[in-house]
Amino acid sequence: EVQLVESGGVVVQPGGSLRLSCAASGFTFDDYTMHWVRQAPGKGLEWVSLISWDGGSTYYADSVKGRFTISRDNSKNSLYLQMNSLRTEDTALYYCAKDLGQENPSFDYWGQGTLVTVSS
Amino acid sequence: QSVLTQPPSVSGAPGQRVTISCTGSSSNIGAGYDVHWYQQLPGTAPKLLIYGNSNRPSGVPDRFSGSKSGTSASLAITGLQAEDEADYYCQSYDSSLSGSAAVFGGGTQLTVL
Repeated sequence: EVQLVESGGVVVQPGGSLRLSCAASGFTFDDYTMHWVRQAPGKGLEWVSLISWDGGSTYYADSVKGRFTISRDNSKNSLYLQMNSLRTEDTALYYCAKDLGQENPSFDYWGQGTLVTVSS
Repeated sequence: QSVLTQPPSVSGAPGQRVTISCTGSSSNIGAGYDVHWYQQLPGTAPKLLIYGNSNRPSGVPDRFSGSKSGTSASLAITGLQAEDEADYYCQSYDSSLSGSAAVFGGGTQLTVL
């Protein structure tokens, strides 16, 4: 059974930093591209970032480019999101998601999410 | 403002058929990129419902179906059940955006009357 378990979400002040983690199990982690997708309270879904199976390619939404860094450790079956220069608009539930494996991004498994609140 | 446009809400009575539209443009759906649909039940994570425009993952009832034409896609739900009450999101890829941008619709809240 595929499981994705996010952690690291807390309350942080504007301008602060945070590192999210996602522990994966139930599939061959290093075969798949992985994503972070976020959902602000009461709002829709927003794709944040992706990383290729080997970590060689990374992409970011314009809203986080230059502030967030995605990474992975295939030896630990883990995905990470380093978040710097946080803004109030980054407040959201952050989901780790596994890519379906087709030509373009799509998400076949999601974690339960970890809540990041940016507030003074 | 979402790149893909969905109606904010739809409703139907149990047993009825409802459809949810997803309108894009020539840089996403109209360019031939696949559309995927997700169901988000209240308080839970999204779940893949339809992938590749019209394919159902294992375990998804055949009451759910997807289609795509031109710059739009649709999700149809037949034999509506109370448990279908949820938010539904379409998703595709947009070639006009920097990076490898997955784009979502704004979501549609389905109410079962």
